Amino acid sequence: TQLLEQSPQFLSIQEGENLTVYCNSSSVFSSLQWYRQEPGEGPVLLVTVVTGGEVKKLKRLTFQFGDARKDSSLHITAAQPGDTGLYLCAGGGQGGSEKLVFGKGTKLTVNP
Amino acid sequence: NAGVTQTPKFRVLKTGQSMTLLCAQDMNHEYMYWYRQDPGMGLRLIHYSVGEGTTAKGEVPDGYNVSRLKKQNFLLGLESAAPSQTSVYFCASSYVPGGHEQYFGPGTRLTVT
Repeated sequence: TQLLEQSPQFLSIQEGENLTVYCNSSSVFSSLQWYRQEPGEGPVLLVTVVTGGEVKKLKRLTFQFGDARKDSSLHITAAQPGDTGLYLCAGGGQGGSEKLVFGKGTKLTVNP
Repeated sequence: NAGVTQTPKFRVLKTGQSMTLLCAQDMNHEYMYWYRQDPGMGLRLIHYSVGEGTTAKGEVPDGYNVSRLKKQNFLLGLESAAPSQTSVYFCASSYVPGGHEQYFGPGTRLTVT
């Protein structure tokens, strides 16, 4: 059972465009994280959100945690080729668990 | 401060051979995890540990064993490798329960022929 659904699975855009990636679940999480992974490397944490309705900004990236703590979105403004990578969302603390549940990822390609 | 390191980076095994993947972290984290990543499947948890001397099964534990004899090290063993275990393996560590802020190693690419 895939507890976290990410969409879209693939996204190819031109430099300068805006985009939004979604992460949805029917389960409640105590935290939700976004990671970026580049080819041949391990995932790197971008942000953690823990409060329903929370919005965090990291330069051109805006992360939002849903009010019910079941979903999240990642919005990138004026995408650049350096944003290319696999974006993974992960939910933590479900039922007090020590584990993270990962989505399958969104592969983003930003063309110059 | 090296963070999380994994050895080896690449390995090719024949079916039935055994090997051990080593993960080491220098951040004094209590929690350590082994994942495998396959195309279209995302990251799947194999085994994890909540402290020295403890281990627990994750989502896909069959065919793998682990040990956490020292806090900084987490070993993943394949006793009899199968082609289905061809994958990229990632180790991660965390200092907070609930999986907050996991730090990942660079991965080991394993091919079983």
